[in-house]
Amino acid sequence: DGGITQSPKYLFRKEGQNVTLSCEQNLNHDAMYWYRQDPGQGLRLIYYSQIVNDFQKGDIAEGYSVSREKKESFPLTVTSAQKNPTAFYLCASSTPDRTGGYGYTFGSGTRLTVV
Amino acid sequence: GQQVMQIPQYQHVQEGEDFTTYCNSSTTLSNIQWYKQRPGGHPVFLIQLVKSGEVKKQKRLTFQFGEAKKNSSLHITATQTTDVGTYFCAGLEYGNKLVFGAGTILRVKS
Repeated sequence: DGGITQSPKYLFRKEGQNVTLSCEQNLNHDAMYWYRQDPGQGLRLIYYSQIVNDFQKGDIAEGYSVSREKKESFPLTVTSAQKNPTAFYLCASSTPDRTGGYGYTFGSGTRLTVV
Repeated sequence: GQQVMQIPQYQHVQEGEDFTTYCNSSTTLSNIQWYKQRPGGHPVFLIQLVKSGEVKKQKRLTFQFGEAKKNSSLHITATQTTDVGTYFCAGLEYGNKLVFGAGTILRVKS
């Protein structure tokens, strides 16, 4: 079945550490996205990529980095510069059709906790 | 920049009652999408509305897109316990990216 796989499901990070969250899709979607969700809140866009080897900052990119070397993969690194990284991280993908097309497909998320 | 406001933030209903959540954009949208996130889960795409004044139904759910393409609503008739979760609208501005509302949390008391 096609879908998006995020790993790990739970991640604990010590202060000052960088951690990388994995996101892999086999939907053949060009566009991929990373969102952050805090308890009881909506989704805030961190980074997005519309094509391989290209990505753009979202609304809250500070303290995060991404790469898009392959169409299927869009890993997110939470760096030590991110002051409050504890959150639920969601990866999504979509077709690039801006006039309609399909909705976003989300992965099951990674819950990151700073200890 | 584009903003999408969603109300109410939270609603607690008795099973069998109706429920409505509203979404308003600061700019005209090319389309609007609705998602449902179950407690502890991830958002799942429900539907997309593209045309001005469009109305779509999925069983007990009715989705509307305003004439000016700046507002939308989701109405659930006769809620059931399986309807619990957070409902998000997300607006796509022409030539831009999807912007999510803050969501409406629905709780259903049986």
